[in-house]
Amino acid sequence: EAQVTQNPRYLITVTGKKLTVTCSQNMNHEYMSWYRQDPGLGLRQIYYSMNVEVTDKGDVPEGYKVSRKEKRNFPLILESPSPNQTSLYFCASSSPPRGEAFFGQGTRLTVV
Amino acid sequence: DAKTTQPNSMESNEEEPVHLPCNHSTISGTDYIHWYRQLPSQGPEYVIHGLTSNVNNRMASLAIAEDRKSSTLILHRATLRDAAVYYCILRDEGGGSGNTGKLIFGQGTTLQVKP
Repeated sequence: EAQVTQNPRYLITVTGKKLTVTCSQNMNHEYMSWYRQDPGLGLRQIYYSMNVEVTDKGDVPEGYKVSRKEKRNFPLILESPSPNQTSLYFCASSSPPRGEAFFGQGTRLTVV
Repeated sequence: DAKTTQPNSMESNEEEPVHLPCNHSTISGTDYIHWYRQLPSQGPEYVIHGLTSNVNNRMASLAIAEDRKSSTLILHRATLRDAAVYYCILRDEGGGSGNTGKLIFGQGTTLQVKP
């Protein structure tokens, strides 16, 4: 079954404690991206990757890092999380970039 | 990127057709019209997309006005499972955000389906 898998689904952490949210897709898609969803602001793109070792900033990249060492994985890294990064995060993949996007189930992150 | 306007919410009865409107008066010639939906506690899900002609798939139909300034997503027989937020998105496939793969989500239309 074609899918995008995110882990964990829920995470509560403290300010400043580094964390990684993993994202994996099994469709051999070249393009992957991360979004965050906040009430009243909708979904906004954080980072995207056109292929292995090719990443670029989206609309709200501050406080986040990503890496793309393998085609299937695109982890989102928060080096020093802050409460304003409390949000619902979605990973997505597609091929080509403008093709049908497949989204993961989401990761609800709370930073206290 | 061109903007879309959708009603905040709509209601439908189960097993009846639903017409979800979207206005996009500033659409450009290379903008495709995409629809995604987000079921409660899930990620967005692709529904359908089109450029000029009406489109049908197993989930829905997309009716595009002749001047392309508006479109309508049609669910032929709403079920309780269709209760979701529906997003109408324009994607420039001649360049711009379309080539970065970015989807620009607005607030969407929350569809409530009554049994």
